[in-house]
Amino acid sequence: DAKTTQPPSMDCAEGRAANLPCNHSTISGNEYVYWYRQIHSQGPQYIIHGLKNNETNEMASLIITEDRKSSTLILPHATLRDTAVYYCIVRQTGANSKLTFGKGITLSVRP
Amino acid sequence: EAGVAQSPRYKIIEKRQSVAFWCNPISGHATLYWYQQILGQGPKLLIQFQNNGVVDDSQLPKDRFSAERLKGVDSTLKIQPAKLEDSAVYLCASSLNRGDEKLFFGSGTQLSVL
Repeated sequence: DAKTTQPPSMDCAEGRAANLPCNHSTISGNEYVYWYRQIHSQGPQYIIHGLKNNETNEMASLIITEDRKSSTLILPHATLRDTAVYYCIVRQTGANSKLTFGKGITLSVRP
Repeated sequence: EAGVAQSPRYKIIEKRQSVAFWCNPISGHATLYWYQQILGQGPKLLIQFQNNGVVDDSQLPKDRFSAERLKGVDSTLKIQPAKLEDSAVYLCASSLNRGDEKLFFGSGTQLSVL
């Protein structure tokens, strides 16, 4: 699977949008961009995934650039409970695909 | 629906001892994963089961780690003998099937080897 690059940490104010960047310059055409997050002392939790179109669900929005070399996860109104490590993962489709985690980005939401 | 259940939540052992972790996946999930997460790193896949068969154990240290999922439901991961570097959180996850978009993770077992 292609690798991703994320800054180690960022913070944002409660109630503001949190924009988490991810670079995946070697992504292949059949690889999806996934985001998971891990709140302290819990297992990772699926957030969203996409191929090339922007995606939105009840948790977040995913914006993928046209060349697919980078993406941004947007939490529109961050709360203290959104403080977590966020993992950007590139993953192929198919039965043999793996979910390979990097170090992720630590998001701290301040009051 | 009930999530992925893991036990124990914490375990402290001395090096060279053995330890076992248990996982009960979400009902109906055919695929089960064990991940190891060392402090400050992302989870690393150790082994993946499809029903009761192993589909990927390429990163499992087979000289000391073993895992089974005999009836295709719950699973046990064992370490024997444990080393200091095995101190980590052991996460179990499940999905409906191989290649599924969403993996559901348990809260993990935190192992400390002294």
